[in-house]
Amino acid sequence: EAGVAQSPRYKIIEKRQSVAFWCNPISGHATLYWYQQILGQGPKLLIQFQNNGVVDDSQLPKDRFSAERLKGVDSTLKIQPAKLEDSAVYLCASSSWTGTYNEQFFGPGTRLTVL
Amino acid sequence: QQQVKQSPQSLIVQKGGISIINCAYENTAFDYFPWYQQFPGKGPALLIAIRPDVSEKKEGRFTISFNKSAKQFSLHIMDSQPGDSATYFCAAVKAAGNKLTFGGGTRVLVKP
Repeated sequence: EAGVAQSPRYKIIEKRQSVAFWCNPISGHATLYWYQQILGQGPKLLIQFQNNGVVDDSQLPKDRFSAERLKGVDSTLKIQPAKLEDSAVYLCASSSWTGTYNEQFFGPGTRLTVL
Repeated sequence: QQQVKQSPQSLIVQKGGISIINCAYENTAFDYFPWYQQFPGKGPALLIAIRPDVSEKKEGRFTISFNKSAKQFSLHIMDSQPGDSATYFCAAVKAAGNKLTFGGGTRVLVKP
């Protein structure tokens, strides 16, 4: 079974530029998550999708971050404009459903450096 | 607010020794307590998980001890191996919505 795919793996941009990350979850997983992992910290949930609907985006800085999950499969996370403090690894995860605890499977992440 | 506190931040242990990582949580509404292992350049991967009605769970060299009254849980890595060198995260899950809250992480280095 293929894992969660993410691209690009690395991205370096100047502050105030825009950037987008892509995630392809495990086939059949209805729930998709985006996390931000700042160096030396645990991952922090940014947004959670159930199929193509948003379940929780309470921690998403909506003035600059946006995310979508078209057709309930792939997802993109965008930052516009980027700030220095956005430098982090952005992790995508998926799980089979949210009725109860289900293991979340993580992708390798995209390491973003904002200069 | 940090709902899951993890210590120590880093740990060095000799091969064959025991690695112990501790976590404490604040919210009694959590339903499951998983531990994740993360290698450099990789995403976290589930290592072992425990429900709050169980005091201990063992899988191979990895054991979770859970103290519900103290709201604390810990990971013990027995017979630590160099391949166990990684960052370990404790977490707490609210089953409704499957929401994970991570601790700050512990970087473990096992010296040969």
